Amino acid sequence: QQQVKQSPQSLIVQKGGISIINCAYENTAFDYFPWYQQFPGKGPALLIAIRPDVSEKKEGRFTISFNKSAKQFSLHIMDSQPGDSATYFCAASEDSGGSNYKLTFGKGTLLTVNP
Amino acid sequence: EPEVTQTPSHQVTQMGQEVILRCVPISNHLYFYWYRQILGQKVEFLVSFYNNEISEKSEIFDDQFSVERPDGSNFTLKIRSTKLEDSAMYFCASNRSPMNTEAFFGQGTRLTVV
Repeated sequence: QQQVKQSPQSLIVQKGGISIINCAYENTAFDYFPWYQQFPGKGPALLIAIRPDVSEKKEGRFTISFNKSAKQFSLHIMDSQPGDSATYFCAASEDSGGSNYKLTFGKGTLLTVNP
Repeated sequence: EPEVTQTPSHQVTQMGQEVILRCVPISNHLYFYWYRQILGQKVEFLVSFYNNEISEKSEIFDDQFSVERPDGSNFTLKIRSTKLEDSAMYFCASNRSPMNTEAFFGQGTRLTVV
């Protein structure tokens, strides 16, 4: 029930195209859904995050769509650029009584944007 | 911009040896975490730490692991007797408060057990 399932495992997109990565979860107590971007040899860095009270959040070229009833959320990268090539992880967390906000990660999607 | 720093960046150790991985979280953060990432796999939660005690630990975090905040700035992960399967990237993370859930990650320590 704690799993977050992510797909696809890898994605190749042409420059200027749209990259779409999907995640699904089971735990209805999750209340925070971030996406992390990771470049080789670096730690994950927060890209964008959403809470279940909204269905969409947009920051620049990055958009999260959230479907609470389906327990799914997705990341859309518009006008994908070669510099977006990285591994993307979806994650989820729940309020554990205010003592921690551990993240449960998906398995990651390796995005390659071809020039 | 403040950042979480980890040392060393790479540690090679022999099986059975003790290792200590060090982290300096962002200075006004109160919640600290260790995660690990085995090569090519997802990032996995190990332990969370708040108010000088462990808040939660995963099943991975067995008796061989311990965490400490010895001096108010460093946050360490000790593995008492390393095993080959402990080889992974270990990430430290911190966040400020329950109302601000963005967790900032360090650049990681690559632990190789030989």
